[in-house]
Amino acid sequence: QQQVKQSPQSLIVQKGGISIINCAYENTAFDYFPWYQQFPGKGPALLIAIRPDVSEKKEGRFTISFNKSAKQFSLHIMDSQPGDSATYFCSPGGTGRRALTFGSGTRLQVQP
Amino acid sequence: DARVTQTPRHKVTEMGQEVTMRCQPILGHNTVFWYRQTMMQGLELLAYFRNRAPLDDSGMPKDRFSAEMPDATLATLKIQPSEPRDSAVYFCASGLVLRGSQETQYFGPGTRLLVL
Repeated sequence: QQQVKQSPQSLIVQKGGISIINCAYENTAFDYFPWYQQFPGKGPALLIAIRPDVSEKKEGRFTISFNKSAKQFSLHIMDSQPGDSATYFCSPGGTGRRALTFGSGTRLQVQP
Repeated sequence: DARVTQTPRHKVTEMGQEVTMRCQPILGHNTVFWYRQTMMQGLELLAYFRNRAPLDDSGMPKDRFSAEMPDATLATLKIQPSEPRDSAVYFCASGLVLRGSQETQYFGPGTRLLVL
């Protein structure tokens, strides 16, 4: 049973455009919703995270939108830059082993 | 600047050989994770420890893989015997878990393993 579904698998965006990546989850006990960013040859690193008590969080060009009723959260990258080209993972968290699941990843390519 | 360190960074070995990967978690973190990353399977959780005790290793092939935390500053992942299908990047991550809720995981640079 797949706990986390991430889409799209890959995304190509022009410089200055908006990148949107989605994550759907099943476990209603999750209470921590992070996005990780991974560059080639590096380990994933936390990009931005949100708690379920708010519906949106913005940090610079990165925004998380959270829809608790739909059990979905998304990452929006405004004014996408070539330096944003990376693989992005969602990893909703909570207690227990089921919390330790990463989405399948979205490979973002921002073209200059 | 606290970081998770992993050694070796790269390992090439022959099928049947033993492989040991080491991880030094960030000082003060109470949880350590081992992941395997491949193109086909993505990031898979192999095992995780809290306060040095193994909480879950159900993602790990028990017949050949073993994970331990001899002390709070060292976590090891061992494969014996190694097989070509074990070729992957192995990541260690550490985190501070409070009140039973998962928090941010800090990943090391990974060990790139190639089994010939």
